[in-house]
Amino acid sequence: DQQVKQNSPSLSVQEGRISILNCDYTNSMFDYFLWYKKYPAEGPTFLISISSIKDKNEDGRFTVFLNKSAKHLSLHIVPSQPGDSAVYFCAASRMDSSYKLIFGSGTRLLVRP
Amino acid sequence: DAGITQSPRHKVTETGTPVTLRCHQTENHRYMYWYRQDPGHGLRLIHYSYGVKDTDKGEVSDGYSVSRSKTEDFLLTLESATSSQTSVYFCAISRTGTGYGEKLFFGSGTQLSVL
Repeated sequence: DQQVKQNSPSLSVQEGRISILNCDYTNSMFDYFLWYKKYPAEGPTFLISISSIKDKNEDGRFTVFLNKSAKHLSLHIVPSQPGDSAVYFCAASRMDSSYKLIFGSGTRLLVRP
Repeated sequence: DAGITQSPRHKVTETGTPVTLRCHQTENHRYMYWYRQDPGHGLRLIHYSYGVKDTDKGEVSDGYSVSRSKTEDFLLTLESATSSQTSVYFCAISRTGTGYGEKLFFGSGTQLSVL
């Protein structure tokens, strides 16, 4: 039973356009969410996070939106660049479940020049 | 780069043989984790450690054991490797744990193939 779901295994967008990656979760106790980016043959690297007390967090070209009522979060990349081509993982955690991040299955983003 | 080194980077082994993967950190972080990455499953937690000699199970711990005798080293052992354990294994560290507001730093991974 996957608690964190990324239903789109892949996404292709044109350079300069917006990329929107989606993530759904089933556990309403999750209160902190993160996005990680992974290039081939490398480990995942932290990209951006959001706590449940917010509905939006921005960092440069990257914005994460959280809709708690829908148990949904999304990552927006504007404008998309070819170097953004990677696998993106959504992850969630709970304050009362320390030490454990639950990851989604990932979305492979391809940004076409 | 967080100071995390995984060894070996690649390993091919046969079913039934024992395998040990090593994670070494230079950050003096208290928390260390082993994840496996498989297509369609993302990253799944195998075991984690919250201090020297303090370890606990994750989501997919069957068939794996861990040990942490020093802050800097976290070992993952497959006592008798099976083909279902073919995967990419990632070690991760964090300073205060991932309960809230904390992020993990990952190593570069170990590609393990069990034939």
